[in-house]
Order: sequence, then C-alpha cells, then structure tokens
Amino acid sequence: NAGVTQTPKFRVLKTGQSMTLLCAQDMNHEYMYWYRQDPGMGLRLIHYSVGEGTTAKGEVPDGYNVSRLKKQNFLLGLESAAPSQTSVYFCASRSSSYEQYFGPGTRLTVT
Amino acid sequence: RKEVEQDPGPFNVPEGATVAFNCTYSNSASQSFFWYRQDCRKEPKLLMSVYSSGNEDGRFTAQLNRASQYISLLIRDSKLSDSATYLCVVPWANQAGTALIFGKGTTLSVSS
Repeated sequence: NAGVTQTPKFRVLKTGQSMTLLCAQDMNHEYMYWYRQDPGMGLRLIHYSVGEGTTAKGEVPDGYNVSRLKKQNFLLGLESAAPSQTSVYFCASRSSSYEQYFGPGTRLTVT
Repeated sequence: RKEVEQDPGPFNVPEGATVAFNCTYSNSASQSFFWYRQDCRKEPKLLMSVYSSGNEDGRFTAQLNRASQYISLLIRDSKLSDSATYLCVVPWANQAGTALIFGKGTTLSVSS
C-alpha cells in the first residue's frame, strides 16, 4: 500500500536550473497539496488542488507552478531555482475528511 | 499572516510528566481542528481531531475553547517515544477550496 509517494527524495540544483517534483497517491483522493518546510517557519502551503484539472495558490506560491492533469498526480515545478527555495517539500492528499496523508518529503538544495 | 500560533518550546520533561501545549487561531469561523505529530526529518501524521469541545485518546486529550480561540493538547504520563514536534492545524477556506494551515509546531523532548 504505497499511499503518497514523492520523487525524487533528494536533489541539488544550481541557481537558475529548473526541475519538477512529482507526487503520486493511490488512494483516489480529490485533494492534493504541496508544502515547504523550513527551520523556524513550519509547514507553509505553496499550491493545492481540489480535483483533477484544478489548482489554487496557497500562502507562498511565488516561484512555483503546479499541474494536476491526472487525479493521482500533482506536479510542482521550479522554472528558475533560487537559493531561497532550498527546503524540504512535502506533498499531501486527503479525501473528504480532513485527515491529510503526507509523502516522505523531497530535500532540495539550491546552490 | 498568523492564523495559527504555537509556543515553539522546546518543552523538556521527564518520563511520566504531564505536559500541555496551547495553540491560538485567528479564524473564528473554524469548526474543526487537528493535532499532527512530526518526528525528526519525517512527514507529519495525524494525531487527533477536535470537532466539538474536546477529544480524548488514551494519554492524549485535546480541548477546544471557542470563546478564546485556542486549542490545547495534554499528554499524560509522558513516554520517551512522545518526543516529537506537535503541529496545530486549522482549515483555511477560500473560493478555491479548503486547505489545512499548520502552526510552526511545539517541540517536546521527554528524557529518562
């Protein structure tokens, strides 16, 4: 039972490079979320989706884009990475209840 | 924005102690609240939900005070395995749907 998976688990980027983080869930959840977690800042919502084909901005959306072409996948893109985007990125999904299931996280370093 | 505020701690307690964390929230319309637990370098996991005045699950009790807009988490008979960061969570609704907003967390360290 995979739950929520994230790829990659670790990545190092140079400033200006682009990358896409993939989140996949096998629980048929409608809602999916991308958070970033930084020391002393807690979890901050980047973007989220309430269903296939929909996306919405969270608290800190600047510098990121997302897509939800398939219900089970939620992609987070960084078009031009900056050192300020060094963080741990968590994806989560939920059904109609408020219990969110998180992926194991992606540790991204931008140099 | 400071929708959810928590005392970051750390709280350092001995095994067997009782410890309580508070969390204040700004949205008076919120109807449900949650406590998540996060171990070091791991993903958060749901610990308890609070939909009315409170909820109890074994050694853990969550209470809600709507008038003062705070929720609390009480841990009795602390175990070493309770050492973690506890996150207070409140739903955030806008026209695009509902997301969960997390507090910065309170760190608990239980020692023998």
